[in-house]
Amino acid sequence: SQQGEEDPQALSIQEGENATMNCSYKTSINNLQWYRQNSGRGLVHLILIRSNEREKHSGRLRVTLDTSKKSSSLLITASRAADTASYFCATDAFRDDKIIFGKGTRLHILP
Amino acid sequence: EAGVVQSPRYKIIEKKQPVAFWCNPISGHNTLYWYLQNLGQGPELLIRYENEEAVDDSQLPKDRFSAERLKGVDSTLKIQPAELGDSAVYLCASSFATGGDLGEQFFGPGTRLTVL
Repeated sequence: SQQGEEDPQALSIQEGENATMNCSYKTSINNLQWYRQNSGRGLVHLILIRSNEREKHSGRLRVTLDTSKKSSSLLITASRAADTASYFCATDAFRDDKIIFGKGTRLHILP
Repeated sequence: EAGVVQSPRYKIIEKKQPVAFWCNPISGHNTLYWYLQNLGQGPELLIRYENEEAVDDSQLPKDRFSAERLKGVDSTLKIQPAELGDSAVYLCASSFATGGDLGEQFFGPGTRLTVL
């Protein structure tokens, strides 16, 4: 079963615009991570946010976490063609120490 | 520093044949994961090792899948016999887990299995 659910499933935006993806989950977590996967490649870790953190930045990435709503968002600012990829959230569940990935958001940056 | 290495990258077999995948994690990582990823889906955990011990194999179909991690380093995942529905990408990942925090996972490129 997959705990994390990304929204939207697919997103197309113009280069230079900001892209926002959301992740909702069901159970209490230790942390939440975002990964990127380019077509035919393995996943690349982007950012980890712990349950006691509310916001984290890394370059053009901004991640927020709202544990009361059991949701997280990933914002990519000033998007580039190279940002075209699938983005997954993964939750590290508190109770059973499992990492569960969502189905992903497929982001396409239009030139 | 070398990343997670997997081989082979691609494998095509006929159904009912056996197949094995190999993974070499990042040096020093104590935790190793095998995932299955179907097209358009997120990775699904098959098994997680902490050193040599399989600490979570609840999603591993044990009637046909087996895995081992000798000496707490390299790992192999085997399917015998393979079925059509096993066609997928098999991903290996590793991390350094401490105090209940599984940490950031580093993924290999995966093995794309096609069962005919």
